Amino acid sequence: EIVLTQSPGTLSLSPGERATLSCRASQSVSNSFLAWYQQKPGQAPRLLIFGASNRATGIPNRFSGSGSGTDFTLTISRLEAEDFAVYYCQQYGSSPRTFGQGTKVEVK
Amino acid sequence: QVQLVQSGGEVKKPGASVKVSCKASGFTFMSYGISWLRQAPGQGPEWMGWTSGFNGNTKYAQKVQGRVTMTTDTSTNTAYMELRSLRSDDTAVYYCARDRFGERNFDIWGQGTLVTVSS
Repeated sequence: EIVLTQSPGTLSLSPGERATLSCRASQSVSNSFLAWYQQKPGQAPRLLIFGASNRATGIPNRFSGSGSGTDFTLTISRLEAEDFAVYYCQQYGSSPRTFGQGTKVEVK
Repeated sequence: QVQLVQSGGEVKKPGASVKVSCKASGFTFMSYGISWLRQAPGQGPEWMGWTSGFNGNTKYAQKVQGRVTMTTDTSTNTAYMELRSLRSDDTAVYYCARDRFGERNFDIWGQGTLVTVSS
């Protein structure tokens, strides 16, 4: 199965700053079938990005995704108060579908 | 609106079984499938399996194969996940999620159900 490694584990930033989150796969993710989710405490994950770079319905354009092969990035252009959360990547290019261990974006 | 509403938390003893429900609304249930995932404290989600809302076909992760059964009831637009022979490491929040063909991302999630396995 594909192992996804996210870095950093924790990102300490201030509102208005740019956040860059990394997701590296143990083998190539076919067709760039990679998604990103946001999870806040006590809530279910919310789909942000699918197909590596496509925003899900209702997701603000400050969220963007890029990458292919084994290296993917989620960028939040300017952090707002509601963006402080844990972010997970998920690959669906091969079975079983797997998730990374998460990156926590916290207030500096 | 499109939503999945899950049943409430459960406390079970090791060796017991648990059955969690997931009621769908706001979309055509038979046009989609439902995946079940779980998340242990501090971990990323783990996919457990998928069931079709159209014909009840299932796919299960190897880790839980043999202990899990996923079903749907199209008369009530409800999906069910039963996990048997519970162990302490099955303690987690269990989620259902909309998943059209059982092979892509998860676009709508239930609120989660905490299952605690403890003697």
